[in-house]
Amino acid sequence: EPEVTQTPSHQVTQMGQEVILRCVPISNHLYFYWYRQILGQKVEFLVSFYNNEISEKSEIFDDQFSVERPDGSNFTLKIRSTKLEDSAMYFCASSDLRDNEQFFGPGTRLTVL
Amino acid sequence: AQTVTQSQPEMSVQEAETVTLSCTYDTSESDYYLFWYKQPPSRQMILVIRQEAYKQQNATENRFSVNFQKAAKSFSLKISDSQLGDAAMYFCAYRSARDKVIFGPGTSLSVIP
Repeated sequence: EPEVTQTPSHQVTQMGQEVILRCVPISNHLYFYWYRQILGQKVEFLVSFYNNEISEKSEIFDDQFSVERPDGSNFTLKIRSTKLEDSAMYFCASSDLRDNEQFFGPGTRLTVL
Repeated sequence: AQTVTQSQPEMSVQEAETVTLSCTYDTSESDYYLFWYKQPPSRQMILVIRQEAYKQQNATENRFSVNFQKAAKSFSLKISDSQLGDAAMYFCAYRSARDKVIFGPGTSLSVIP
């Protein structure tokens, strides 16, 4: 069964460093999403992406964040200068149609020291 | 803005018994989707069950069923014949046709052998 994959599973970085979280959505999907879950809190929407542009973003998704689909398979989330409060689980999701179910990846645990 | 509320931070159930997790939501839209996701200690998000708002019939998936009360904006999850593997965090989630998923705060379910 096709699935969304994410790498790395765990990333440790120093405050102020740039990180890139990678996702490979399901191959025929067109809509892509990033969510974040701070430990012990609920999952929060960050951004949605379609047709090579952001379709919606939350107030969490400030100028430190960017997304990109650099090729036909990867979908990346970049945090330009990480802060301690960026430590969280980051989930990528994709769907084939906007109204269809979003399939979630296993998540990347980001730890900022 | 849409919100999702789960009033039970923690629940427990005896193995083989039935448990019901509560969820209420607030929306002014008429067309939307509701989900229950399971998050085990691995923190992966696993879709348990999905309900389209336009369907009056309650969704069922094996031991999992929902009680969807559209007028009351209530969407509870019933787990029958609980198993040890059901122990996890359960998130109720809402998605409008405008694509992002909004999660509730979660209910931590323990299963007692």
